[in-house]
Amino acid sequence: ELKVEQNPLFLSMQEGKNYTIYCNYSTTSDRLYWYRQDPGKSLESLFVLLSNGAVKQEGRLMASLDTKARLSTLHITAAVHDLSATYFCAVVNNAGNMLTFGGGTRLMVKP
Amino acid sequence: DSGVTQTPKHLITATGQRVTLRCSPRSGDLSVYWYQQSLDQGLQFLIQYYNGEERAKGNILERFSAQQFPDLHSELNLSSLELGDSALYFCASGTANYGYTFGSGTRLTVV
Repeated sequence: ELKVEQNPLFLSMQEGKNYTIYCNYSTTSDRLYWYRQDPGKSLESLFVLLSNGAVKQEGRLMASLDTKARLSTLHITAAVHDLSATYFCAVVNNAGNMLTFGGGTRLMVKP
Repeated sequence: DSGVTQTPKHLITATGQRVTLRCSPRSGDLSVYWYQQSLDQGLQFLIQYYNGEERAKGNILERFSAQQFPDLHSELNLSSLELGDSALYFCASGTANYGYTFGSGTRLTVV
């Protein structure tokens, strides 16, 4: 059974600071996804990582994937209040038809 | 607008009742995936349909069923509702290589 763990589960940070969210998963997979969710809202796709060593950046967010370590990171650079949300990583099974989500990281960026 | 359409946005119903949630995938996508998001269980995969056929099943209760119609829209039927079925229900469409897009969700409250 595929398991996905994120840490930390909760992150409170000051504006302007950097931080990293970690996503570990239990079985081999080379496709991982990051989503953002605002309270009560849908899941917004942030990054699609499809191979070992993949790195993608969008604004203040950068995601990477190490399939050998079964680890993905979401790095936040110079955080701003608008980044406050819950971030989920998800891994797809080999058949490509089932996402397993991590527990989410609730990020609060304080002015 | 993500291109994945879900209706209704909110549903309030009594225990023991039956409801139907509806989803239309993005134009060109043949698959529909259903997920449940609750506070205690997190985001869980329920079921996938591809071009009218069931392709994968997750932690879906026997009281729940789904189908996909020739026009590719899908319905998730929840019956004999219990308080614990209160959750956000999302559908998504897409593929592993291009990522998955989620609809805005249906918030179900069972009273």
